[in-house]
Amino acid sequence: DQQVKQNSPSLSVQEGRISILNCDYTNSMFDYFLWYKKYPAEGPTFLISISSIKDKNEDGRFTVFLNKSAKHLSLHIVPSQPGDSAVYFCAASPFGNEKLTFGTGTRLTIIP
Amino acid sequence: SQTIHQWPATLVQPVGSPLSLECTVEGTSNPNLYWYRQAAGRGLQLLFYSVGIGQISSEVPQNLSASRPQDRQFILSSKKLLLSDSGFYLCAWNRGTNQPQHFGDGTRLSIL
Repeated sequence: DQQVKQNSPSLSVQEGRISILNCDYTNSMFDYFLWYKKYPAEGPTFLISISSIKDKNEDGRFTVFLNKSAKHLSLHIVPSQPGDSAVYFCAASPFGNEKLTFGTGTRLTIIP
Repeated sequence: SQTIHQWPATLVQPVGSPLSLECTVEGTSNPNLYWYRQAAGRGLQLLFYSVGIGQISSEVPQNLSASRPQDRQFILSSKKLLLSDSGFYLCAWNRGTNQPQHFGDGTRLSIL
């Protein structure tokens, strides 16, 4: 049972435009959410997180939105840059729980 | 600042051979430690986590085991490798629950 789903395996965006990556979850106990970026042959790098008491969190070019009623979160990257080309994973955990559940990832390609 | 080291970066082993992958964290004390595996085209699957020396929680039944002999050292082992143990193994740490996990660069394990 895939509790965290990233239904788009890949996404291509023009440089300078907005990239929107989506993630859906099924476990209503999840209340801490994260996005990671991964380059080939490297470990994932933490980008941004959000807890369920918020519906938006911003860090520079990255914004995460959380819609609890829809069990949906999204990552917006504005403006998109060539270095943003990577695989992006969303992850979630219940409050006070050490274990993260990851989605299967979305490969983002930024077109110059 | 904190750093996490994993080695080796790549490993090719025959079926039935033993395995030992090591992970160490520097610059922090009493971290939570994690082992993940990423199979080809899949998300990250949590294998083991540890909240302290000698404390290991296993997430999935498998051919692998983990140990934490020192505060900042986490070891993944197997007595006899199977073909299905092939994958990309990642170690991670964080300061506690609801804190981002930070990953090492991983070990690519190929079983022949």
